Order: sequence, then structure tokens, then C-alpha cells
Amino acid sequence: QQQVKQSPQSLIVQKGGIPIINCAYENTAFDYFPWYQQFPGKGPALLIAIRPDVSEKKEGRFTISFNKSAKQFSLHIMDSQPGDSATYFCAATHTGGFKTIFGAGTRLFVKA
Amino acid sequence: GAGVSQSPRYKVAKRGQDVALRCDPISGHVSLFWYQQALGQGPEFLTYFQNEAQLDKSGLPSDRFFAERPEGSVSTLKIQRTQQEDSAVYLCASSILAGGSTDTQYFGPGTRLTVL
Repeated sequence: QQQVKQSPQSLIVQKGGIPIINCAYENTAFDYFPWYQQFPGKGPALLIAIRPDVSEKKEGRFTISFNKSAKQFSLHIMDSQPGDSATYFCAATHTGGFKTIFGAGTRLFVKA
Repeated sequence: GAGVSQSPRYKVAKRGQDVALRCDPISGHVSLFWYQQALGQGPEFLTYFQNEAQLDKSGLPSDRFFAERPEGSVSTLKIQRTQQEDSAVYLCASSILAGGSTDTQYFGPGTRLTVL
């Protein structure tokens, strides 16, 4: 019940394409869902986060869509660029909790 | 700017050796987290500190793992009698607020531990 399942494992898109990464969770106590971007040799960095009281959140070229009834959420990257090539992690936690549960990650490659 | 720093960046240990990994959080950050990231996987929570208090250590895999933050700033993760399965990147993160994981966490670059 603590898992966050992420797909796909890897993704290749052309520059300008819109990669979509999907995540699903079981624990209904989760109420905060961040997405992280990680480059090789670096720690993860927070991209964008959402709470389940909204169905969509946009920050720049990054959009999270959230479906509370299905317990699923996804990241869309608009107008993807080669510099977006990285590993992306979805995650989940709950207010007052200390433990963030991460998905297994999606390796994105954007072709120039 | 001063982000989260970790040292050493790389550590090679022989099986059975003890290791100590250091984390320097962003100055003034109350919360500090340790994670273990196996190759090709997402980070897994190990432990959480609020100032010097260790409020959650449920993710520590065994009693060989010990973490401390005695003065509420620098933290050390110690692994005794290292085993090959301990090989991973150990990440530290800090956040400015108390009260858990929904505040923005700033990660360090990690320490890559290889146990031979």
C-alpha cells in the first residue's frame, strides 16, 4: 500500500514532443505529490508538486494532471528540449508524515 | 549559493568495514532527511531529523545503520560492518520547515558507496 508505481521506465521523444509519465498510488492518506528531476551525478531537484484538491497544475512547460478517483497522476512536458533529458521521479507523501515514497523513475531522452 | 553538500562524494569500502557519510544541510534548515538510492531506482527513505531529534528511523534497513545530528545542523550516517548490498548512493536532503515531508526538499549530490 506504500508503493508508487511509475511508467514507462524509459522514453525517447523528438525535440518539441510532449512526453507523458504516469504514476499510480494506493494509499489514500497521501495528499502531496511532487515530481523530481535528476541529472547524472546530481541529487533530485523538485520540479512541480500538486495536492489532490486540484486536477491540474502548470508551471512553465511542466503540467501535472491528477485523477483522485483513479489514484493516478501524470507529468506532461510541453515543447520538450534536449536539456530535459534526465530521470524523472514521481513521489507521494502525506501532511505530517516524514516519509516520501518515490516511484522507480523514468529515463527521458529528447532527441535534437 | 550554498546548497546541501555531502562528503565524501565517493567511498569504496571492503566488506566488514565501518563507514561514515557526512551531510551539511542548508544553513537554518530545520528538517533533514537521508535516502538510499540503488542503481536505476528511486530514492528510498531512511530517516528524518527535526533539528537534533530523530523523529523517524523506520527506513533504516538494519541495526548496522545509525544516523545522528547532534547539534541540529551537520548529520552523519554511519554504516557498521558494511555488506555488498549496502552499495548505493546515499542522498541527504534538507527543508526549511519543521513538520515533515511536504515542504520543498533540497537534495545534496549524494555519496556513492561501493562495498567490495
